[in-house]
Amino acid sequence: DIVMTQSPDSLAVSLGERATVHCKSSQSILNRSNKKNYLTWYQQKPGQPPKLLIYWASTRESGVPDRFSGSGSGADFTLTISSLQAEDVAVYYCQQYYSTPHTFGQGTKLEIK
Amino acid sequence: EVQLVESGGGLVQPGGSLRLSCAGSEFTFDNHWMSWVRQAPGKGLEWVANIEHDGSKIDYVDSVKGRFTISRDNAKNSLYLQMNSLRAEDTAVYYCARGESSYGYILDYWGRGTLVTVSS
Repeated sequence: DIVMTQSPDSLAVSLGERATVHCKSSQSILNRSNKKNYLTWYQQKPGQPPKLLIYWASTRESGVPDRFSGSGSGADFTLTISSLQAEDVAVYYCQQYYSTPHTFGQGTKLEIK
Repeated sequence: EVQLVESGGGLVQPGGSLRLSCAGSEFTFDNHWMSWVRQAPGKGLEWVANIEHDGSKIDYVDSVKGRFTISRDNAKNSLYLQMNSLRAEDTAVYYCARGESSYGYILDYWGRGTLVTVSS
C-alpha cells in the first residue's frame, strides 16, 4: 500500500498569512504516460463531511477560492493557502488514487494564531 | 444540488452485521463510480471500497475484504455496504462519496455520514 505522510500534524497561522501543508507519498504517484499526479486535497470542517479542494495535485475544484493552490510532483506535494481566512480553519487531508487502497494522509489541523 | 444521504448505521455487537445504504439524487447515478470512506471517532479518513458505474469493478481495503460487500442498484439510485463479522475497530462514521464524472476515483460529493458503533 502507498503510505501518505503529511506534515505538520498541526499548524497555527495568523489571519492573512500564508499556510503550507506538505504531503509525501511512499512511492511516486505520477503516471508518466499522461504526466498526471494522482493526488487530491480535501478540507474537513468540524461536524462536516470532507470537501474536495484540489485534484490531479494542482487542479482547483469549481467554486474553491483561488487562495487555495496545490503543487508538487512524483512523491512530494504541497497545499498552499495564500492568505488565511477565518473560514479556512479545518483539517486538511491529501489522498492518492494512483493505486488501491486509495490511502489518505493522517490530516493536518489548521488553526488561527 | 447533488445529494447523498446515508442510512442504516447504529449500535451492533461484535460479530454482528449491518447494511448501510446511500441514496443519491439530483444527478445521473449510473454515470458515476461510488465509494465508501470511514472515519473512526476523532481520527482520520480511511478509504473502504469503491464500485464502478455498472458494478463490474470493485475494490476493498484489505482490512474489510471478505467481511464487507459493496453493491449498487442503479434503478433505485442507491449504494450499499453490507458489513458482516463486525469488529470494534470498524466503529466509525461511514461516508458515501460520488466519483467525479471524468475520473471516478476523485470524490467530488460526500454525504453527511452514518455512525456505526460496534460494542457489546
